[in-house]
Amino acid sequence: KNEVEQSPQNLTAQEGEFITINCSYSVGISALHWLQQHPGGGIVSLFMLSSGKKKHGRLIATINIQEKHSSLHITASHPRDSAVYICAVRYNNNDMRFGAGTRLTVKP
Amino acid sequence: NAGVTQTPKFQVLKTGQSMTLQCAQDMNHEYMSWYRQDPGMGLRLIHYSVGAGITDQGEVPNGYNVSRSTTEDFPLRLLSAAPSQTSVYFCASSYSIGASRTEAFFGQGTRLTVV
Repeated sequence: KNEVEQSPQNLTAQEGEFITINCSYSVGISALHWLQQHPGGGIVSLFMLSSGKKKHGRLIATINIQEKHSSLHITASHPRDSAVYICAVRYNNNDMRFGAGTRLTVKP
Repeated sequence: NAGVTQTPKFQVLKTGQSMTLQCAQDMNHEYMSWYRQDPGMGLRLIHYSVGAGITDQGEVPNGYNVSRSTTEDFPLRLLSAAPSQTSVYFCASSYSIGASRTEAFFGQGTRLTVV
């Protein structure tokens, strides 16, 4: 069983829809990262969370430490948001584990 | 700003050959790490370093060596390449603010094929 579970694996949305991607992990962590991998392969870090909520433009990330769960929301989705979104957890010793990713396709 | 620079972008090796994947960052980040990404496996941490002279193993360290003699550079060495090491490799760096760590900056990746 993967230490980091993401859902859904694949997601197709129409432009303008509200998107939610979920991430659950099994043991205590020091931080959680959300990454975006573009179709060309490049990886961009979107958020690093240790508690609460962060917002950047149309992206919102939340984390519930007690429930070991995080969500990434995209408001007013756009075709340029099409990418793979990856959840990663960092442990206190700086070791990291990754979710398998959620492939998002936003259709015009 | 150059950010994180990985070289080469593509490499083909024969089984048993050795090579070094280079990673350099110009942001004075103390934390650097290497990952491999395989279809169906996602990203996996190979080795990481929290500062010059300090390295540690991640999830899949076997077959790889690292060193961190300077803050800027974190090379990954394959001593005897095997087909199982065919993968896309990413290097990343980040820094701390107090007790927390910032978002990571990733290199563009190295696509390695071992035949």
